[in-house]
Amino acid sequence: AQSVAQPEDQVNVAEGNPLTVKCTYSVSGNPYLFWYVQYPNRGLQFLLKYITGDNLVKGSYGFEAEFNKSQTSFHLKKPSALVSDSALYFCAVRPYQAGTALIFGKGTTLSVSS
Amino acid sequence: DAGVIQSPRHEVTEMGQEVTLRCKPISGHNSLFWYRQTMMRGLELLIYFNNNVPIDDSGMPEDRFSAKMPNASFSTLKIQPSEPRDSAVYFCASRRDLQETQYFGPGTRLLVL
Repeated sequence: AQSVAQPEDQVNVAEGNPLTVKCTYSVSGNPYLFWYVQYPNRGLQFLLKYITGDNLVKGSYGFEAEFNKSQTSFHLKKPSALVSDSALYFCAVRPYQAGTALIFGKGTTLSVSS
Repeated sequence: DAGVIQSPRHEVTEMGQEVTLRCKPISGHNSLFWYRQTMMRGLELLIYFNNNVPIDDSGMPEDRFSAKMPNASFSTLKIQPSEPRDSAVYFCASRRDLQETQYFGPGTRLLVL
């Protein structure tokens, strides 16, 4: 079955420290990969995506993600966390086949302390 | 350009009542998605449409749920009769084919008493 795993329910990091939110996937073919962020009582906001090309993708708010095909991972990273980065983060994958919807992970809550 | 619009933003109803959620996708987008978010189950895809045609409704919980897309600029998700376990936040999202990025609306927070 095709799936996305976010192994950590919560990630805690101090402001100014680097952060990583992990994501692994299992899909057939070459996937399209996404990260979304959800702030309290808001909808999901698009952060970045990988379709093809450079394995390191840069997105909004200083976030980046690295596609690793051999490890089937797409971890979200930021060199220096801000308190305002505290939110719920979702990894999503769209199988290569046309006409398919995104498959979302369960989400990881990022808490950045000052 | 306006984003995905959902109404109402909040809905409180009593068990057994009919609930209708509405969504207006971004203009020019031809795929539309309905999701449900709960603490227990996370974000679940209920149904999605492409060019107003339902493509995958395997996530629709049961016959009490129905969704329609009568035209490219409007969709509804109906629950009849509603039950307390339907309480959740319902999101609508849209996407333009070949662009790949889905854009989400602000959600409808439904509470069934």
